[in-house]
Amino acid sequence: GAVVSQHPSRVICKSGTSVKIECRSLDFQATTMFWYRQFPKQSLMLMATSNEGSKATYEQGVEKDKFLINHASLTLSTLTVTSAHPEDSSFYICSAREGEVSTDTQYFGPGTRLTVL
Amino acid sequence: AQSVSQHNHHVILSEAASLELGCNYSYGGTVNLFWYVQYPGQHLQLLLKYFSGDPLVKGIKGFEAEFIKSKFSFNLRKPSVQWSDTAEYFCAVSPFTGGGNKLTFGTGTQLKVEL
Repeated sequence: GAVVSQHPSRVICKSGTSVKIECRSLDFQATTMFWYRQFPKQSLMLMATSNEGSKATYEQGVEKDKFLINHASLTLSTLTVTSAHPEDSSFYICSAREGEVSTDTQYFGPGTRLTVL
Repeated sequence: AQSVSQHNHHVILSEAASLELGCNYSYGGTVNLFWYVQYPGQHLQLLLKYFSGDPLVKGIKGFEAEFIKSKFSFNLRKPSVQWSDTAEYFCAVSPFTGGGNKLTFGTGTQLKVEL
């Protein structure tokens, strides 16, 4: 149980285009999903917290107009990188939490490798 | 805000050797503690977690970790590593209450187990 999928696994796009990444919880309902970014040889950095049916909460320094997050259902959250630039190239990872209690565990997706040319 | 330090960035061990990976955190309140593992080409998987109770936590694949509150540490251990334990290991913390269950990760430790 507790499987989280991401699509696509890899995407290459031209500078200036927008890219949408999907995160799905396959066997549970995720009240909260998180989006992380991982740079090479570095740790995961939390970008935003996404709650179903409400606006995402962004971490300091993350541009909400550039990284659009939608959590329209209890099993799907999307991250759209708008007007992508080469510096947005990175590994984007989502996670999902099943319940409301702070002791619940996050389950991670396999990540999406974004390359902006 | 919380922070996490993993002092060993790269560890190389021979099979059957014992493993201990250090993790220290900084936070003013009570925390939940986690160790995640990322095998080559795979996603992050939960190894073990500590929320409360017995500070010695046992996880999957023979791993365990001990929470020492006075030292703000949550070191990961395994008595005898296998080649298949080659992976990157991340320590993470989240506030016990409030904070929205946000995880803060350490920089990771790359473990290579040689035959």
